[in-house]
Amino acid sequence: GDSVTQMEGPVTLSEEAFLTINCTYTATGYPSLFWYVQYPGEGLQLLLKATKADDKGSNKGFEATYRKETTSFHLEKGSVQVSDSAVYFCALSGAGSYQLTFGKGTKLSVIP
Amino acid sequence: GAGVSQSPSNKVTEKGKDVELRCDPISGHTALYWYRQSLGQGLEFLIYFQGNSAPDKSGLPSDRFSAERTGGSVSTLTIQRTQQEDSAVYLCASSLVWGEQYFGPGTRLTVT
Repeated sequence: GDSVTQMEGPVTLSEEAFLTINCTYTATGYPSLFWYVQYPGEGLQLLLKATKADDKGSNKGFEATYRKETTSFHLEKGSVQVSDSAVYFCALSGAGSYQLTFGKGTKLSVIP
Repeated sequence: GAGVSQSPSNKVTEKGKDVELRCDPISGHTALYWYRQSLGQGLEFLIYFQGNSAPDKSGLPSDRFSAERTGGSVSTLTIQRTQQEDSAVYLCASSLVWGEQYFGPGTRLTVT
């Protein structure tokens, strides 16, 4: 079945550091890929998405590119802020499917 | 506009009791999903409703779990004879058909 593997945290960075959170997936066909973010005490929010190979999703300075050849969707941000501290989840929905399959989440802490 | 709401936000129950968790989706969203977020298992899909179609119950972990959606809107997830392993955060999401899933804040269930 479909699965998502993302780097385990926690990740601690200083403000303005570069962020990469790795995500790889296993799925048949061409899934859609997502990054969700969960801020402390809040629900899951969609951060960005990509629906086909080589698409780049971007939002709030975060980017991720759908790489079919490496089955990856790594999340990057050039300069993190304290307000980016949250748990980040990589997810996919398989071709013709609606349910989301999530990775286990990566907790990011950004210190001033 | 109003987002997805869930009630209660927290529920503590004794092992063996039944519990009901409620979800109010975004108005006009025809699709509704339940997920479970637990420390050991991460985020897991439970059940999916779409319009008047039969729900996809493939993610329900046991026959103690059931869900219904009345009038194509509000949904209730019922857990009978709760066990300690049912302790988790139960998340509800809604979407337009094939659309982005919007998540509620969740219900934290603790079984003592």
